[in-house]
Amino acid sequence: EAAVTQSPRNKVAVTGGKVTLSCNQTNNHNNMYWYRQDTGHGLRLIHYSYGAGSTEKGDIPDGYKASRPSQENFSLILELATPSQTSVYFCASGDDWGGSWETLYFGSGTRLTVL
Amino acid sequence: GQQVQQSPASLVLQEGENAELQCSFSISTNQVQWFYQRPGGRLIGLSYIPGMKPTGKQTSSTVTKGRHSSLTISSSQTTDSGTYFCVLRAGANTGKLTFGHGTILRVHP
Repeated sequence: EAAVTQSPRNKVAVTGGKVTLSCNQTNNHNNMYWYRQDTGHGLRLIHYSYGAGSTEKGDIPDGYKASRPSQENFSLILELATPSQTSVYFCASGDDWGGSWETLYFGSGTRLTVL
Repeated sequence: GQQVQQSPASLVLQEGENAELQCSFSISTNQVQWFYQRPGGRLIGLSYIPGMKPTGKQTSSTVTKGRHSSLTISSSQTTDSGTYFCVLRAGANTGKLTFGHGTILRVHP
């Protein structure tokens, strides 16, 4: 079973502060994703990556940066956190197989509260 | 962008009953997958290929055709309670995924 580990599990930050959410996967997947989950919105894609050194904007990238320094690690950075960024953040990794649909492996989530 | 609509928004079953969850989307594609999330838990993929039995839960199946996909849960159990998401990929060569808002399923004993 693919393993995706997120840290921290819970985070309280102050408005205007910098927050870094980390994600590590041990299955050599090329693709990694950051989502946020809010009531009434489901999961929304923030940033994703096709491999080390690459980052792509998702549907709601404003206010977030991403970094993929290696195959295993993908970080989400909030340079100036705002209360509207209070949410649960999920990281996922996946890979294409035989040209068919990939499946995603999700981490357990990080609950971020911005005061 | 592409839209993914799921119905119903919520559903209550008695253990042993069957249910069919619906998903419709704005483009015709077979790049669809269903995910399950227990309350407060991580999301788990239910199906790899449309029409095939998904891994991890052998009493459900999916059908995807055109702009529609459905997930059938057979002989429901209380452990099936949670939220089911329909997920669409824009194309075979993109990693960009769109989630529906989910169907909340509660199975009572």
